[in-house]
Amino acid sequence: NAGVMQNPRHLVRRRGQEARLRCSPMKGHSHVYWYRQLPEEGLKFMVYLQKENIIDESGMPKERFSAEFPKEGPSILRIQQVVRGDSAAYFCASSPRTDQETQYFGPGTRLLVL
Amino acid sequence: GESVGLHLPTLSVQEGDNSIINCAYSNSASDYFIWYKQESGKGPQFIIDIRSNMDKRQGQRVTVLLNKTVKHLSLQIAATQPGDSAVYFCAENLPQRGGSEKLVFGKGTKLTVNP
Repeated sequence: NAGVMQNPRHLVRRRGQEARLRCSPMKGHSHVYWYRQLPEEGLKFMVYLQKENIIDESGMPKERFSAEFPKEGPSILRIQQVVRGDSAAYFCASSPRTDQETQYFGPGTRLLVL
Repeated sequence: GESVGLHLPTLSVQEGDNSIINCAYSNSASDYFIWYKQESGKGPQFIIDIRSNMDKRQGQRVTVLLNKTVKHLSLQIAATQPGDSAVYFCAENLPQRGGSEKLVFGKGTKLTVNP
């Protein structure tokens, strides 16, 4: 049973470009969470999705950031017009359902904005 | 508000000693707690969890203690090994309006095990 998969593992973008981060949850998991981690800090919740639905996006910046989890395919975190402050590690986690279920994390995508 | 913090940002121990990593949380509505281990360049790895109706849970070489009175969580690692060197995060599961939940992470404690 493969774990949570994320790609790319490393992504370099210039200011103003778009970044697209992908996450495939563990098999049988229908809940996906995205987190951002700055160096030497903990993970900050961004968004929680189920298939075709955004459940909680209270941690998402109001502009330039969007997320989706389509019926088919991976979850996508999209950052438009990236700025240097977007440089961080972005982690995806999945769980089979909510209600006190452990979230299992992927290896992360490290975004560097030049 | 959302606040999960740690008493010690770094901890250095000798191989074979026991390690204790502490965590304070602020929200009494949190009902589930998880400890994660994160090695350099990797994603957080689940270690052990505990529900709010328990005060102690043991795993292999690890024990989590929960004191709801003072909102305190600790992770004990027995016979610490060099492979235990990592950053350890506690996370609290915070119920949200509408029935959803989210994890709130502390800043982390860096554990270094000296051979």
